[in-house]
Amino acid sequence: DAGVTQSPTHLIKTRGQQVTLRCSPKSGHDTVSWYQQALGQGPQFIFQYYEEEERQRGNFPDRFSGHQFPNYSSELNVNALLLGDSALYLCASSTTSAQGTQYFGPGTRLLVL
Amino acid sequence: TQLLEQSPQFLSIQEGENLTVYCNSSSVFSSLQWYRQEPGEGPVLLVTVVTGGEVKKLKRLTFQFGDARKDSSLHITAAQPGDTGLYLCAGAVMDSGYALNFGKGTSLLVTP
Repeated sequence: DAGVTQSPTHLIKTRGQQVTLRCSPKSGHDTVSWYQQALGQGPQFIFQYYEEEERQRGNFPDRFSGHQFPNYSSELNVNALLLGDSALYLCASSTTSAQGTQYFGPGTRLLVL
Repeated sequence: TQLLEQSPQFLSIQEGENLTVYCNSSSVFSSLQWYRQEPGEGPVLLVTVVTGGEVKKLKRLTFQFGDARKDSSLHITAAQPGDTGLYLCAGAVMDSGYALNFGKGTSLLVTP
């Protein structure tokens, strides 16, 4: 049984560019959450998708957007990249009955130059 | 946003020693998770606790959820070098769709 997968593993972009990160949840999971983890910090919640809609959102600007597909996979899009967007982006999947239990993927390391 | 404070921030011990990591908040959580993270990798789930006063054991690791569901602790008995890593606690609230609020983590180094 495959766990949560993310692609790409690493990415280098320049300021002002746009980026799309991808996530496939664990089999049987219908909810996908995205987190940003800066160096030396704990992950920060960006948003959560369920039934192809954004259900919850953290304190992130509109430059951060997402999408969930009918097969429950998800994308995170970031427009107009800033240097401060450099971080490890983590995807986590869960079920609606999980009471907070979320399983994380390996992450995508984004470097903005 | 519910703030979670973890202590200590850093811990360096020798193999065989015991240690306790604390996770505290002024907020009540529906559930609390503990994760371990290696550098450059995603957090790996260790345990979920949901009931106040709950104690769970995972081999040499003992997790406790406070009676008021505002705090938690992780105790490791006879630490081994393989326990080295970043330990993160994360609280979740049902009304927020169980989005995880993380502490900054405790970085543990166990030397042989």
